[in-house]
Order: sequence, then structure tokens, then C-alpha cells
Amino acid sequence: AQKVTQAQTEISVVEKEDVTLDCVYETRDTTYYLFWYKQPPSGELVFLIRRNSFDEQNEISGRYSWNFQKSTSSFNFTITASQVVDSAVYFCALSEASGNTPLVFGKGTRLSVIA
Amino acid sequence: KAGVTQTPRYLIKTRGQQVTLSCSPISGHRSVSWYQQTPGQGLQFLFEYFSETQRNKGNFPGRFSGRQFSNSRSEMNVSTLELGDLALYLCASSKDSMNTEAFFGQGTRLTVV
Repeated sequence: AQKVTQAQTEISVVEKEDVTLDCVYETRDTTYYLFWYKQPPSGELVFLIRRNSFDEQNEISGRYSWNFQKSTSSFNFTITASQVVDSAVYFCALSEASGNTPLVFGKGTRLSVIA
Repeated sequence: KAGVTQTPRYLIKTRGQQVTLSCSPISGHRSVSWYQQTPGQGLQFLFEYFSETQRNKGNFPGRFSGRQFSNSRSEMNVSTLELGDLALYLCASSKDSMNTEAFFGQGTRLTVV
């Protein structure tokens, strides 16, 4: 069975600090996709990234970066120089790559960035 | 291009009533999936529609149903509402399969009293 664990329920940081959100996953599949979504107070889930299990290269997009490590089944997300607008709930998700399968989400990490 | 539109944004219903929620996907997207978000259970998959057919289903009772129209718009229906159905219902739009880039709407927040 697939499972995603986000052990950090809530994190508070001061603006301009760097913060890392942890994501650990479980799957028996060798091919899978990993996702990160941001959920601001308005409710919609904003797509941030989708990663194929064969691609272990780290990715950077502006202040966001992702560290994918298959050896530890982790897909961590780092925000550099955090801003108040980064305050939201962040979800990590997993889906099998074979066939059309739904996303399995972690419980989310609520990030509060204080000015 | 326009995003995923869900209507209504908020609903208040009484136990035992039924409710219909609507989702208009991004133009050109044929897969529409529905998720329920509650504080206790988190985000859980309800079902997915593609080309007017239910292609995948989560572990929810038969009171939860849906359909998709020829223009890819989708509706979900919950009959005989229970207090536990209080949740944010989110719709996701994808080009063809659920595990490609899925874009979500703002959700419908359902309150059951």
C-alpha cells in the first residue's frame, strides 16, 4: 500500500529564514510520481512540482528547491528566504506511474511565516 | 487560460438532504477527479471521470456519486447527508490521467447541520 508521511504538523519561521518541509513515502512500485501542492487559505491546491521516480536530480525553481532521495524514500521541499506569502499548508503526494491512479496525500504541514 | 471552477463555493445543508456540486475543468482537460478534505482524514480520493465514464473509484459509500458531461464538466452528488460529510470537496482537472499535472479548483465547503 502507498503511504505519505509529513511528520511536521506545523512550522513557524521568521521572514527571510530558510525552511525545509519533510516528506517520506512508502510504495512497492518501482515507478511512481511524487508531487508537492500548496494550499493557501482560499482553499485551492496549487501545483508546485511533479517528479518521476527515475529522475533523482534535485530541482530548483526560484526560492523553491526539492531534494529527492530514493535511498531514504524522501522528497523534501525547501523554501529559501521565506516570505509571509509562503504561509500555507503544504501537501506531499504520491501516485503509481503505471496506469491511471489517484494521488495519495500526506496530512500536510502548516507553515506560518512571521514578519 | 481559465482555471478549474467549482460552484458553489459554500453550501449549508441539513442532515438527510442531498447536494450537487459542480466542477468545470480547464479547457482541453478530459479527466476530472474529486477529493474530500476533512480535518481528521485529510485528502481522500472519491472518484474520477474521463470521457463521461467513471474510470476510478475510491472507498466511499454509494451515497457519493458523480457524472461527467460531454463538455467534460462534472458534478458530484451526495445523498442522505450525514454530519460526517462536512468537508471541503475539491475537484482536480488533468489532461488525460490523474497522475499527470493535476490542477485543483478552490473547492466547495459543505456544512451539514
